[in-house]
Amino acid sequence: DAGVIQSPRHEVTEMGQEVTLRCKPISGHDYLFWYRQTMMRGLELLIYFNNNVPIDDSGMPEDRFSAKMPNASFSTLKIQPSEPRDSAVYFCASSVRDTIYEQYFGPGTRLTVT
Amino acid sequence: DAKTTQPTSMDCAEGRAANLPCNHSTISGNEYVYWYRQIHSQGPQYIIHGLKNNETNEMASLIITEDRKSSTLILPHATLRDTAVYYCIVRVEDNYGQNFVFGPGTRLSVLP
Repeated sequence: DAGVIQSPRHEVTEMGQEVTLRCKPISGHDYLFWYRQTMMRGLELLIYFNNNVPIDDSGMPEDRFSAKMPNASFSTLKIQPSEPRDSAVYFCASSVRDTIYEQYFGPGTRLTVT
Repeated sequence: DAKTTQPTSMDCAEGRAANLPCNHSTISGNEYVYWYRQIHSQGPQYIIHGLKNNETNEMASLIITEDRKSSTLILPHATLRDTAVYYCIVRVEDNYGQNFVFGPGTRLSVLP
């Protein structure tokens, strides 16, 4: 298996632009998680899905952030409009129902908003 | 969730065992101890977890004290590729999946 796939690996954009991050979980994994990591705040859970349904989005910082999972093999995290404080590494992770805490992380997307 | 305390950093000689401690004195009876690590510029990687008994897998061993107030992750023969930040997380399992809170962790440097 190729593991969790994220794209792009790096994104540089200007303030006010829309940013879309993409994730393909490991096949057969029922859970998908979006995290954000910064030096100041560490690793924060933004939202997670179970069987394509959002379960907990309490970590989403504000309405500028939205996430979707249209099918079991694809999810997006969108920021519109982007701001410099959104600069961070965004990780996607997936896990199997019965081993939910053994999460497998993707390589991350490093977002820079200027 | 119970809070964990880990040393900020540790060094270990290549080929020697790396013993990473974690204190979780307020752990509840149904909370598990999980260990993850994050190698520079990569996503966190699951290592091992346990409830009461000591656990071992191909990556590491987890020793949990009898009172469960502390634990130690052991990398038996550390290599340079084990240089990473190691996170100890205490969490209860449930049916809905939960938020993992990653603290600052221990930065392990394996030295040649």
